Amino acid sequence: EAGVTQFPSHSVIEKGQTVTLRCDPISGHDNLYWYRRVMGKEIKFLLHFVKESKQDESGMPNNRFLAERTGGTYSTLKVQPAELEDSGVYFCASSQSGRWDNEQFFGPGTRLTVL
Amino acid sequence: QKEVEQNSGPLSVPEGAIASLNCTYSDRVSQSFFWYRQYSGKSPELIMSIYSNGDKEDGRFTAQLNKASQYVSLLIRDSQPSDSATYLCAVIGGTSYGKLTFGQGTILTVHP
Repeated sequence: EAGVTQFPSHSVIEKGQTVTLRCDPISGHDNLYWYRRVMGKEIKFLLHFVKESKQDESGMPNNRFLAERTGGTYSTLKVQPAELEDSGVYFCASSQSGRWDNEQFFGPGTRLTVL
Repeated sequence: QKEVEQNSGPLSVPEGAIASLNCTYSDRVSQSFFWYRQYSGKSPELIMSIYSNGDKEDGRFTAQLNKASQYVSLLIRDSQPSDSATYLCAVIGGTSYGKLTFGQGTILTVHP
C-alpha cells in the first residue's frame, strides 16, 4: 500500500511569489492533516479535512494560506503571497475514518524556502 | 507552559542499553498519545500509540502512560545505533478533533 505522498519535495521561491503544495493521502483515508515545522520549533498543526470538508482550520497562520481538498482525495495548500516567515517543512498526514484519534501517517514533507 | 514537553537531549546511551524517553502534557483531558521517530531530513514515523493507562509493548518498544501524572514515556530495549534519531511525543487533546500537538522532540544517540 502506498504511503502519503507530497509534491514537490523542495521549493525555493522569492518573497511575494505563490507556491502550491500537494498531498496525496493513503488511499481510503478520509482524514487529511497539514502540519508545519519552522526551523527550531516543534511541528505545528495547520488544518484538518474530513473528506472534502474543513473540520478544523484553527492552525492556519493567516489568509495568505488556502487549503483545498476537492473531491475528498488529494489536497493542495497554496501560499500567496509568500513571506520569509513561511519557510519551513510542510507535512501532510492522513488517517482512517472512524475514530477521530486514529493513528496518523505522515508524508515526506515539502521543504519551502522563501528568499 | 508548553502543551507537550520533552527533554531535548541529546540522550546518549550505549548499544544494548535501555533508552528512556519522557514526555509530559498539560491538557488533563487528553486521551490519545503517540510516539514518532524522525531521522534527520525525513518525515515522522509512527512507532507507538497508547490510549489507556499502563504499559503497551511492541517488540523492543514499550510505551507507558500515567494520566493522573500527565506523563507518557517510551522505553527502547536493546538499543541499536539505528535507533539514533529524534523521538517526538504527540498528544491529541480533549477538545481536539484529531489535531496532534507535538513536543519539541528528544534527540537520541546510541553509540557502539
